[in-house]
Amino acid sequence: EDKVVQNPLSLVVHEGDTVTLNCSYEVTNFRSLLWYKQEKKAPTFLFMLTSSGIEKKSGRLSSILDKKELFSILNITATQTGDSAVYLCAVEVYKGNQFYFGTGTSLTVIP
Amino acid sequence: GAVVSQHPSWVICKSGTSVKIECRSLDFQATTMFWYRQFPKQSLMLMATSNEGSKATYEQGVEKDKFLINHASLTLSTLTVTSAHPEDSSFYICSAPRAGVNRGELFFGEGSRLTVL
Repeated sequence: EDKVVQNPLSLVVHEGDTVTLNCSYEVTNFRSLLWYKQEKKAPTFLFMLTSSGIEKKSGRLSSILDKKELFSILNITATQTGDSAVYLCAVEVYKGNQFYFGTGTSLTVIP
Repeated sequence: GAVVSQHPSWVICKSGTSVKIECRSLDFQATTMFWYRQFPKQSLMLMATSNEGSKATYEQGVEKDKFLINHASLTLSTLTVTSAHPEDSSFYICSAPRAGVNRGELFFGEGSRLTVL
């Protein structure tokens, strides 16, 4: 059974802290791994990763994939209150273009 | 960027009635759309994959007769919650992948919050 697990489930930090969110997966026919940020409604796209070891970066956010150990991390440096959200990891598989979502990590950044 | 529109955003209905939720891809064709359900403070749970021109593929444990999915065209998929009950109250989100630069990137609708009284 395909599985995507994120940890921690929730995290509370102070502004300025750096956080690392983890996503591990066990799927058949891996195609890509995606990170999303969900605030009140629909998730918004952050990164798509397909190759191991290549860091993707966008401002204070960065992410990397390890296809050997089957995990990805999402780093947020110098956190701000606006980073408070649920961060979702999804794995795309070739079969039927399916996407499987992880459990999500709820991040709260305190001023 | 690509836009997926979902309607209605909010719906309140009486127990026993049916509710239809629409998901439209506004600027690209989507042969596949996904329907998710999300409970408070939980992740997205894939309910079914909607395929244009063929039957939807349902995930294990999702009742086909309860959650009717129709992919009428390359830009429209609908989810009908039939004979809704309070336990069907949830946040339903659709998404569609688009081929292109970010192949496989999912575009999400705004979501529909269903409350069954």
